[in-house]
Amino acid sequence: SQQGEEDPQALSIQEGENATMNCSYKTSINNLQWYRQNSGRGLVHLILIRSNEREKHSGRLRVTLDTSKKSSSLLITASRAADTVSYFCATAPLDTGRRALTFGSGTRLQVQP
Amino acid sequence: EAQVTQNPRYLITVTGKKLTVTCSQNMNHEYMSWYRQDPGLGLRQIYYSMNVEVTDKGDVPEGYKVSRKEKRNFPLILESPSPNQTSLYFCASSLSRADYGYTFGSGTRLTVV
Repeated sequence: SQQGEEDPQALSIQEGENATMNCSYKTSINNLQWYRQNSGRGLVHLILIRSNEREKHSGRLRVTLDTSKKSSSLLITASRAADTVSYFCATAPLDTGRRALTFGSGTRLQVQP
Repeated sequence: EAQVTQNPRYLITVTGKKLTVTCSQNMNHEYMSWYRQDPGLGLRQIYYSMNVEVTDKGDVPEGYKVSRKEKRNFPLILESPSPNQTSLYFCASSLSRADYGYTFGSGTRLTVV
């Protein structure tokens, strides 16, 4: 089963608005990462937040992490048409063992011009 | 330019005909991994490699083989492809298994008929 689950599965907003998507996970993590993906293309790493961090910023992106609730959110401010892609969270388990990053099923963002 | 290069980009083949998807990275990354992406199932890890000559199974290794003879290359081999291996495949590399972001290739869309 997927470790990270994004919510909502799809999101439609107007250009200039903020977009918020959430990720919930089940087991303790070392870090959580967000990626974006143009349809059918490779994923692009956006930001990584470690388990001892609560908030991180990168340009128009703001990521929060609440380890007590096992959840993270990705906020994209002042959205643009070019932000119309899918967004995935990925979790790196605390006890890596054989496992590495585990990806959720993604949120499809549509930014209407 | 730092990148992961996958080839081919598209491939249509027949059941049982052995094929290899190549993956090469120019970032001197130790960790490399193969994922498949299917609608509704997200990205699932097939195999990964911690370093040269060190490979291990991911979540869905059946029907696949890999090798890591050189640090930069990590080919994915389908000895006898079947229609259920029709999917979008991604190679990824990173400095480590889970502490850094992954760099993904552009993907290989495989159809087995």
